[in-house]
Amino acid sequence: DAGVIQSPRHEVTEMGQEVTLRCKPISGHNSLFWYRQTMMRGLELLIYFNNNVPIDDSGMPEDRFSAKMPNASFSTLKIQPSEPRDSAVYFCASSQQGGHTEAFFGQGTRLTVV
Amino acid sequence: GEDVEQSLFLSVREGDSSVINCTYTDSSSTYLYWYKQEPGAGLQLLTYIFSNMDMKQDQRLTVLLNKKDKHLSLRIADTQTGDSAIYFCAETSIGSYIPTFGRGTSLIVHP
Repeated sequence: DAGVIQSPRHEVTEMGQEVTLRCKPISGHNSLFWYRQTMMRGLELLIYFNNNVPIDDSGMPEDRFSAKMPNASFSTLKIQPSEPRDSAVYFCASSQQGGHTEAFFGQGTRLTVV
Repeated sequence: GEDVEQSLFLSVREGDSSVINCTYTDSSSTYLYWYKQEPGAGLQLLTYIFSNMDMKQDQRLTVLLNKKDKHLSLRIADTQTGDSAIYFCAETSIGSYIPTFGRGTSLIVHP
């Protein structure tokens, strides 16, 4: 397996624009996580899906953020409208629940909102 | 919510041992993890320990767990420049598969 695949790797957008980040988890994994990493706040969990169903979205900052997982092999994180304070690296991770649970991370999307 | 704390920076000389420390608050933690993040990359699992163990060794890595004090450490023997990275402590607890991560410790290895 190629691992967790995220796209794009880098995104620069103007304030107010819609941004969509994409993630393909590892085949067979039933859990998917979206994280945001900044210098100020470290690694924050935004949302957790299990079997394509959102289980915990308490980390989603506000209504401008939304995430979907239409099937087991694809998820999106959308920000509309984007703001400069959304600039961060966004990671998608997947895992297979049971016992010790290793989370496999994608390479991340570096988002810059100007 | 539950919390995982780490110091933000550690600087060591090449060839010395590095010890990265972590404290956590969740008394129901079942697994504790160390992840490594190299520049421009995602996190990658280095090692993990089950909460009923107090030590685990894997080549140059030694993990120590003091469950009473809720303290976890990662020792890297003979630290190399390639070990320079951010190291994250994480835990999962009974009934939850959502890992809680610390802020990460930046390890800087200088010659």
